[in-house]
Amino acid sequence: AQSVTQLDSHVSVSEGTPVLLRCNYSSSYSPSLFWYVQHPNKGLQLLLKYTSAATLVKGINGFEAEFKKSETSFHLTKPSAHMSDAAEYFCVVSSYNFNKFYFGSGTKLNVKP
Amino acid sequence: DTAVSQTPKYLVTQMGNDKSIKCEQNLGHDTMYWYKQDSKKFLKIMFSYNNKELIINETVPNRFSPKSPDKAHLNLHINSLELGDSAVYFCASSQAPAVGLFFGPGTRLTVT
Repeated sequence: AQSVTQLDSHVSVSEGTPVLLRCNYSSSYSPSLFWYVQHPNKGLQLLLKYTSAATLVKGINGFEAEFKKSETSFHLTKPSAHMSDAAEYFCVVSSYNFNKFYFGSGTKLNVKP
Repeated sequence: DTAVSQTPKYLVTQMGNDKSIKCEQNLGHDTMYWYKQDSKKFLKIMFSYNNKELIINETVPNRFSPKSPDKAHLNLHINSLELGDSAVYFCASSQAPAVGLFFGPGTRLTVT
């Protein structure tokens, strides 16, 4: 069975400092993993995805994530936070059965000036 | 060139009414979904259709009835609306597990 745990419900950083949003997953298969971002009152946008190619994945807006099978983790990072990064972030794992996607509970990123 | 579109964007209605939300995707994807996002931002899958066939039906009250007239459209009809139905409803589509989900802009439903 697949599941996702986002370890922090809220993360607060200062503008210009690094961002780390943590995600652990459980999967019976080789998983596909995704990070989505949701800005206030907006829909969900795909940031990046891992699909068994390179373990370090680059996404939009300077975000990266590293797939670590031994740690069952897929943490999202950014070297320098920008005010526009303030949003809700969701880690997602997909199942090859039934084309189903499992969402984490979300991490709200706050960026202080 | 909106990939996944939903109408309406906002829906305010009274308890007991019946309402529908429409979704269309122009990505050529075979699978479409309805998700419900509650006030705590938690996303819960409700239904999924693959090429007009229902493949996922989570424990959703039978007041909710999805309909897929063709693989590009997935509508959601809700009967006898209740206060607890207030949420944001997202339509999404996908071609394969490795591709990911493409979301519509959401429909904010408020039941008074």
